[in-house]
Amino acid sequence: DQQVKQNSPSLSVQEGRISILNCDYTNSMFDYFLWYKKYPAEGPTFLISISSIKDKNEDGRFTVFLNKSAKHLSLHIVPSQPGDSAVYFCAASARHAGNNRKLIWGLGTSLAVNP
Amino acid sequence: EAQVTQNPRYLITVTGKKLTVTCSQNMNHEYMSWYRQDPGLGLRQIYYSMNVEVTDKGDVPEGYKVSRKEKRNFPLILESPSPNQTSLYFCASSFFGANEQYFGPGTRLTVT
Repeated sequence: DQQVKQNSPSLSVQEGRISILNCDYTNSMFDYFLWYKKYPAEGPTFLISISSIKDKNEDGRFTVFLNKSAKHLSLHIVPSQPGDSAVYFCAASARHAGNNRKLIWGLGTSLAVNP
Repeated sequence: EAQVTQNPRYLITVTGKKLTVTCSQNMNHEYMSWYRQDPGLGLRQIYYSMNVEVTDKGDVPEGYKVSRKEKRNFPLILESPSPNQTSLYFCASSFFGANEQYFGPGTRLTVT
């Protein structure tokens, strides 16, 4: 049972436009959410995160929005650039076994930004 | 340069031949983890380590062993590899817990 779902396997946008990547989760115990970006032949790299006490976090061209009531988060990239073409993973974290945290990953969305 | 390194990057082996994939980080991170990535299944955690000499099972630990004798190293051991362990493996580390992790470049393992 997929606790973190990225329902769009792929997304294509034009350079300069907004990219919106979506993520839904089912476990109400998740209290920290992250987005990672992955290029081919490389490991994922951390992009941006948000705590459940916030509804928005911004870092340059990247903004993550969290809607707790809908159990939904989204990553906005504005403006999109060709170098943003990558696979984006959504991940959610909850406390697990004492002070440990466990990350649950979505399957990823492949973003293509066309020049 | 802060990084997580894995070796080898590519490995083709045969069923039953023991192998070790090394992982090393130079950021003095306490937390280290191994993942495997398979099509349609995403990233799944194999084992993790909260600190030296402290390791625990992730979601798919069967067929794998790990050790954490030093803070910087976290090798993944396949005592008797099988074809269902053919996968892309990632090592990761972080200062604490499973949040903002730094990933290695990946090891593509094929077991025939």
